[in-house]
Amino acid sequence: EPEVTQTPSHQVTQMGQEVILRCVPISNHLYFYWYRQILGQKVEFLVSFYNNEISEKSEIFDDQFSVERPDGSNFTLKIRSTKLEDSAMYFCASSEALGGVSYEQYFGPGTRLTVT
Amino acid sequence: AQSVTQLGSHVSVSEGALVLLRCNYSSSVPPYLFWYVQYPNQGLQLLLKYTSAATLVKGINGFEAEFKKSETSFHLTKPSAHMRDAAEYFCAVTEYTGNQFYFGTGTSLTVIP
Repeated sequence: EPEVTQTPSHQVTQMGQEVILRCVPISNHLYFYWYRQILGQKVEFLVSFYNNEISEKSEIFDDQFSVERPDGSNFTLKIRSTKLEDSAMYFCASSEALGGVSYEQYFGPGTRLTVT
Repeated sequence: AQSVTQLGSHVSVSEGALVLLRCNYSSSVPPYLFWYVQYPNQGLQLLLKYTSAATLVKGINGFEAEFKKSETSFHLTKPSAHMRDAAEYFCAVTEYTGNQFYFGTGTSLTVIP
């Protein structure tokens, strides 16, 4: 069964450093998402991406964050200058189309980011 | 605005006992509700979803959930817990046209042999 993959599974970085989290969505999917979960808190929506541009973003997704689909398979989340509060599990998801009812979002296993 | 509250961050049941994981939602429009499960070191997997057809929804692995509008609830149940059900369970809500899911904080289910 096709699945969303994410690398690395765990990333440790120092405050102020840039990190890139990588995701490979399911190949025929058109919509891509990033969510994060700070330990003990809710899974929070960050951004959705379609047709090479952001379609929706939350207030968490500030200028420190950016997303890119650099090639036909990868979908990346970049954090420009990490802060301690960026430590979280980051989930990538993809769906065939828009509309949560009809088109399930498939989630990857997550990347645990630790900022020291 | 939409939100989900999951009561009980940790639930323990004995093998063979009833599983009940609680989810209450808040939504200004008719909601569409989901339960996801996360096994260790894996992604979120869809268990079931409510799409305004039947209020009692059956999902995978013997789980089901009932949408109760009067109680704004979508509790997840399974009649008989199995060891393999030990996992983290997330309730989520979205709008029909929305591409953003709103998740609860999750409930960790432990099954005691």
